[in-house]
Amino acid sequence: EAGVAQSPRYKIIEKRQSVAFWCNPISGHATLYWYQQILGQGPKLLIQFQNNGVVDDSQLPKDRFSAERLKGVDSTLKIQPAKLEDSAVYLCASSFTGGGTGELFFGEGSRLTVL
Amino acid sequence: GQQVMQIPQYQHVQEGEDFTTYCNSSTTLSNIQWYKQRPGGHPVFLIQLVKSGEVKKQKRLTFQFGEAKKNSSLHITATQTTDVGTYFCAAAFWGGADGLTFGKGTHLIIQP
Repeated sequence: EAGVAQSPRYKIIEKRQSVAFWCNPISGHATLYWYQQILGQGPKLLIQFQNNGVVDDSQLPKDRFSAERLKGVDSTLKIQPAKLEDSAVYLCASSFTGGGTGELFFGEGSRLTVL
Repeated sequence: GQQVMQIPQYQHVQEGEDFTTYCNSSTTLSNIQWYKQRPGGHPVFLIQLVKSGEVKKQKRLTFQFGEAKKNSSLHITATQTTDVGTYFCAAAFWGGADGLTFGKGTHLIIQP
C-alpha cells in the first residue's frame, strides 16, 4: 500500500516569498490533515479536511496560509508571504476515519527554511 | 486552545534501563494516541487508548490511560538502541475539534 506522498521534501525561500506544498493521501482516506512541526516541538494542527470540506482551520494563520483539497483527494498548502517563523516541517497526514479516532498516517514532510 | 502537557522533555537512560513518559490534560479526553518519531523521520502510530483505565502492551511497551481519562503513560522496559526517538502523545478532546492535539514530546536518548 502506498503511503502519504508529499513534495517538495525541502524548500528554501527568502522572507516575503511564497511557497506551496503538495500532498497525496492514502487512497480511500477521507480525512486529510496539515500539521506544522517546529524543530523540537510536537506537530501543531493547521487544517483538517473531511473529503473536500474544511472541518477545522482554527489554528491556520489565514492572513498568510491557505489550503485546498480539490476533488477530495490531493491537497495543497500555500504560504504567502512567508515569515522567518514559518521555518518548520509541514507534515501531511491522512486517516480512514475522522473525529479524532483512528490512526494518522504521516508523509515524510516538507522542510521549509525561510531566510 | 486545549493542550496536553508531556513530561519529561528529555530522558537519558543507559541501554537496558526502563523509560516512562507521561501525558496530562486538565480536561477529559475522548481518546489518546501515542506516536514515535525517529530522528529525521515522521511520526508513526503506536497505539490508541479509548477506555477509562485501559492498559495495552506491545512487547516491551506498556500504555496506560487514567481512570479519569485525563492522563496517560508509556513505559518501555529494558530499553534498546532501537527505541531512540521522540515519543508523542496525541489527544482527542470531547467536544473539541476533530484533529488530534500533540504534546511536545519526550526525547529518549540511550547511552550504550
